[in-house]
Formats: sequence, structure tokens, C-alpha cells
Amino acid sequence: ETGVTQTPRHLVMGMTNKKSLKCEQHLGHNAMYWYKQSAKKPLELMFVYSLEERVENNSVPSRFSPECPNSSHLFLHLHTLQPEDSALYLCASSHSAGSGRGTGELFFGEGSRLTVL
Amino acid sequence: GDSVTQMEGPVTLSEEACLTINCTYTATGYPSLFWYVQYPGEGLQLLLKATKADDKGSNKGFEATYRKETTSFHLEKGSVQVSDSAVYFCALSDRNNNAGNMLTFGGGTRLMVKP
Repeated sequence: ETGVTQTPRHLVMGMTNKKSLKCEQHLGHNAMYWYKQSAKKPLELMFVYSLEERVENNSVPSRFSPECPNSSHLFLHLHTLQPEDSALYLCASSHSAGSGRGTGELFFGEGSRLTVL
Repeated sequence: GDSVTQMEGPVTLSEEACLTINCTYTATGYPSLFWYVQYPGEGLQLLLKATKADDKGSNKGFEATYRKETTSFHLEKGSVQVSDSAVYFCALSDRNNNAGNMLTFGGGTRLMVKP
């Protein structure tokens, strides 16, 4: 078990579909993240949740909608995406920096490979 | 803002060759520095880290030293193996942030090691 589990691993969707990516962590962390990894571009931080509150929204289009119902689960709801949104979406978790247990280390899932047709 | 610059790849080496992947950073505070590795088909995993100037992080034969005077954190290994083939990411963490750990990543360097 990797500690951070993402589903589905692969997703193909049309531009009019609505789908969701799911992330679950079993590490007792209280911060969770979504990153986007595109070919030939640096990793892009999309959203950060700390103690179930969104603390960062890095200018992400509204067609991406995150949800963090508890400290162990994180979702990324997708609707009316564009082909340029095709990428690997990585979830990560950590202790929050303000918890006194933060070491700066993020623990990543294996990613959800999204293809938008 | 914070930024990380690392050498572009791919870097192609023969087995047992020496490796250096350069990484320099720009930060306003006192960041922690990290190297993450991504093996094919997997997510990123921490390789090593250093939290203050002159610290040396090491793991699996890899080393990197936090050089504040040159704002660098170069990754080195004396003898690479085929199994080291992966993408390597340099990153920094703004420790002044009191919420999540806002890692800023470099663009990644792909290493290919040939037998």
C-alpha cells in the first residue's frame, strides 16, 4: 500500500462529460494537494487543503472543482474540460507546516492520467 | 516569488558513470530543499532533503549539499545503475508558510542509464 491512493488511474472523457478524480490517504496527514503534470512543463500546484479548508487556489479555471470532505479524502470534480487539460493529475498529502510535525515532505499518489477528447 | 531551475534533460549515461544534475533556486525566505524522483508509471517520491545551509542530504548513493552562497542544491551520484533511470525533480519549501507545504518544483530532468 502506497499510503496515497488515486482512482481512477486512467480516464478518457469528452469535453461535455462530468467526472471526478478521487484521492485517499492513510498516513494521518492533515494537508492534501492536487498537482497537474503536463508534458514538458513544470509541476503545477492547483489546490491545497489544510485541516479540510482550502488554503490555496492557484488560479485554476472553474471547470476544476476540488472537494475535501475530511482529512483523508480529496476529490477533483471535472466538467466541460478542454483538450489542453489532458495531463497526469497527482494527489499528495503531508503534515501541515503549522502542525509542528511538518517536514516539508509530500507523499504522492501514482496519479490519474486524464485524456480529454 | 520562489523558483527552481534545473538542467534540462535527458541525461544519458552508461552504467557506473558519475552523475551530476544541477539545481539552483531563488527564494525570499529560508527554504528547505528537496530532490524527488519519479520512476516510470509512478508518482513522485522523496529521494533526499536538506533543511538548512551546509546540510547534506543523502539516500541510495545520491547526495546533495545545500549551498546558500551559490543558491544551489546539485544532485550527485558516483556510480549510476540502470535502475536509477527516472525523472528527478528539485524542489523547495517555503517554511514561512503556515498552511500546507507549498513546494515549488523545477522542471524535472530525465535520466537514462544504459547497460
